[in-house]
Amino acid sequence: NAGVTQTPKFQVLKTGQSMTLQCAQDMNHNSMYWYRQDPGMGLRLIYYSASEGTTDKGEVPNGYNVSRLNKREFSLRLESAAPSQTSVYFCASTRGQGTRDSRTDTQYFGPGTRLTVL
Amino acid sequence: GDSVTQMEGPVTLSEEAFLTINCTYTATGYPSLFWYVQYPGEGLQLLLKATKADDKGSNKGFEATYRKETTSFHLEKGSVQVSDSAVYFCALYSSASKIIFGSGTRLSIRP
Repeated sequence: NAGVTQTPKFQVLKTGQSMTLQCAQDMNHNSMYWYRQDPGMGLRLIYYSASEGTTDKGEVPNGYNVSRLNKREFSLRLESAAPSQTSVYFCASTRGQGTRDSRTDTQYFGPGTRLTVL
Repeated sequence: GDSVTQMEGPVTLSEEAFLTINCTYTATGYPSLFWYVQYPGEGLQLLLKATKADDKGSNKGFEATYRKETTSFHLEKGSVQVSDSAVYFCALYSSASKIIFGSGTRLSIRP
């Protein structure tokens, strides 16, 4: 099992450019998440998907869109990149569907994408 | 809303020293509590968890006890190694069915 994979690992964009971050998991998990990690701020949830076909906003959704393409894949799109979106982006997945039954679930993280917007 | 507060770093210790990283939380009900660890250049991985009051999670020599009366989940290890150098995140599963992370504590161990 590869677990959670993310592409690309590194990316440099100019302000206003667009790009899509890809994430896939091979653990048959129901829920998937996108976080951004900034120095001194821990992880902040951008969007999540509790099951195939559903997506919900997290703490910092502005400037991002997501697509749950199928059960395995969850992509994050930046339509018009801004320097404030310079960050490390992590995808994660959990077995449960975001209900109270998921309260003990372990989150499995990908290796991250380091994005710089100039 | 639910939140997690953990001690600011960086924390620098000598090898074989005793480690404590403090974590307190605010939440409704009885959240599950977690410690995740992030090694350089990697994503987070679960270190240990506890799902109800007085539970003790343990893994790789690390321990944390779920203290409902003090709303705390402090991470401890009796004798740290250089390989424990990493960033440690305290987290809880909130009433809104999402995991909330603390800001992280960077730990450096000197040989």
